[in-house]
Amino acid sequence: QKEVEQNSGPLSVPEGAIASLNCTYSDRGSQSFFWYRQYSGKSPELIMFIYSNGDKEDGRFTAQLNKASQYVSLLIRDSQPSDSATYLCAVFGNQFYFGTGTSLTVIP
Amino acid sequence: NAGVMQNPRHLVRRRGQEARLRCSPMKGHSHVYWYRQLPEEGLKFMVYLQKENIIDESGMPKERFSAEFPKEGPSILRIQQVVRGDSAAYFCASSPFPQGVLYQETQYFGPGTRLLVL
Repeated sequence: QKEVEQNSGPLSVPEGAIASLNCTYSDRGSQSFFWYRQYSGKSPELIMFIYSNGDKEDGRFTAQLNKASQYVSLLIRDSQPSDSATYLCAVFGNQFYFGTGTSLTVIP
Repeated sequence: NAGVMQNPRHLVRRRGQEARLRCSPMKGHSHVYWYRQLPEEGLKFMVYLQKENIIDESGMPKERFSAEFPKEGPSILRIQQVVRGDSAAYFCASSPFPQGVLYQETQYFGPGTRLLVL
């Protein structure tokens, strides 16, 4: 079982819609959770981090964490074509583990 | 404030040659991480270094790979006798805080070095 699992997609949403990206992790002792955005051929760029159960909002982005279910998600409201990228979920317990990423395409 | 810098951005090597990848962390950051990203795969942790110390190299292949972060100068990831399977993007990330400091684990990534082994 992989430490961090994501649906590879591709996920397509129309412009203006809500994009929902999901991630599960295996280490129940994980403490910190991150979402990175990676454009093709570029480096990962930190979007959000979350440590506590519940929701954390930053602009159009909302991260949701449920430690009991070992589940973390990222919602992107009012999706824009510029949001088209691969979104990486990262989890830190005693080491960083990254998911393989979910490819998102926002259709104009 | 310059971000994490890596060079070269692209590196082509023939099988059996050595590849040397460099990473300069963000100003004020003394913690460096190296990751490898293969096509269709996620980022894989390789090694975590502080100045003059290797803290965690559990993700490093046992042979041909080595890393250092000297007191002066950039961190270097060295791959000896490269093989085609080493072709990948190698990313460096830096942090101002030690790994394991709760709620301070955020890392900032460099642009990566794309290694192609012919």
